[in-house]
Amino acid sequence: AQSVAQPEDQVNVAEGNPLTVKCTYSVSGNPYLFWYVQYPNRGLQFLLKYITGDNLVKGSYGFEAEFNKSQTSFHLKKPSALVSDSALYFCAVRPANDYKLSFGAGTTVTVRA
Amino acid sequence: DADVTQTPRNRITKTGKRIMLECSQTKGHDRMYWYRQDPGLGLQLIYYSFDVKDINKGEISDGYSVSRQAQAKFSLSLESAIPNQTALYFCATSDVGSNTGELFFGEGSRLTVL
Repeated sequence: AQSVAQPEDQVNVAEGNPLTVKCTYSVSGNPYLFWYVQYPNRGLQFLLKYITGDNLVKGSYGFEAEFNKSQTSFHLKKPSALVSDSALYFCAVRPANDYKLSFGAGTTVTVRA
Repeated sequence: DADVTQTPRNRITKTGKRIMLECSQTKGHDRMYWYRQDPGLGLQLIYYSFDVKDINKGEISDGYSVSRQAQAKFSLSLESAIPNQTALYFCATSDVGSNTGELFFGEGSRLTVL
């Protein structure tokens, strides 16, 4: 069975500093990896995905994520965080041959001005 | 208008009552899902449907049932609500033609069972 771990419940950074949200996964076969963001009282919004190809993928709002197969990780990064990036972030994984996504528990990001 | 619409957005009910949460979508996607979100647990899959005649249980289907009334409509029912079903419920869709299975979510339905 597949699973996702987001080891940090909360990440706090100052505006303008780099932001990293960690994610590790376990899945049989090739992984399809996703990051979603949830703003207060809203549904989840897709940020980016890794399917195949370059290990560094770029997504919405200046976010990027690096796939590391040997470490089974897919960390989300942003070079310079904004206060508006404060939200709940979810990592998700599925095997290439199954459409059911498994989500991590989520990481709350707070960016202080 | 939102592509994936959930009603109601908020509902407070009592133990033992029957509750239906409805989801409709204008994205034209065949696949629809119901997830439950609890703080610290992320999202858990309740049921999913890959077309009108296809219904599948997810990780936590006990106490829930679903109906796929049409390609665009997928409802979730709690036949006899209990307090531990208090949660935020999300409907989502995906496109069968997409090889990545990216999900598109509704805004959520917050259910409180007293």
